Amino acid sequence: GQSLEQPSEVTAVEGAIVQINCTYQTSGFYGLSWYQQHDGGAPTFLSYNALDGLEETGRFSSFLSRSDSYGYLLLQELQMKDSASYFCAVSSGGYNKLIFGAGTRLAVHP
Amino acid sequence: DVKVTQSSRYLVKRTGEKVFLECVQDMDHENMFWYRQDPGLGLRLIYFSYDVKMKEKGDIPEGYSVSREKKERFSLILESASTNQTSMYLCASSPTEGTEAFFGQGTRLTVV
Repeated sequence: GQSLEQPSEVTAVEGAIVQINCTYQTSGFYGLSWYQQHDGGAPTFLSYNALDGLEETGRFSSFLSRSDSYGYLLLQELQMKDSASYFCAVSSGGYNKLIFGAGTRLAVHP
Repeated sequence: DVKVTQSSRYLVKRTGEKVFLECVQDMDHENMFWYRQDPGLGLRLIYFSYDVKMKEKGDIPEGYSVSREKKERFSLILESASTNQTSMYLCASSPTEGTEAFFGQGTRLTVV
């Protein structure tokens, strides 16, 4: 089967840097992606890693190590609007099936 | 602007009713997904479809079925609704080779 583990909650202050880790177990791995969901909203795509290494998109970066079945999302220069839930997800199988973790709730304080 | 549309934002049904949740996407995506979201459990995959009439069970298919007769439409069916199916249901679509899934706004279903 497939499973993903990520912390349930993270707290940080405005302007700080926070890292949300994700470990996974799956067969037929294609890639690891990250989604953001604000309360009452739909998940929205942040990033995708298919190869080892760091992908940077503005204040957000995502890292993947396929050999360790591990990835993380790095959020820099935190803002209050970054308070949300963050989900890691693995794409696997022949048709890019998408399985999500339980999510990490990030609270950013002044 | 890409769009995934779910037919209802809120739905209240009685125990034992047959319930249909509809999802339509306008991006010509091959893949469509149904998830349910419950506090602390994240998004759990119910069913996945990778082409018209093709489907694959997710992690929690019991009590649900799906239908995909046209590429743009993916329906989730609760054969006999039960109170433990009260939840937020999210539909998503993605291209087979793509990296990004697009979500609908969700249907909050309450079974009484």
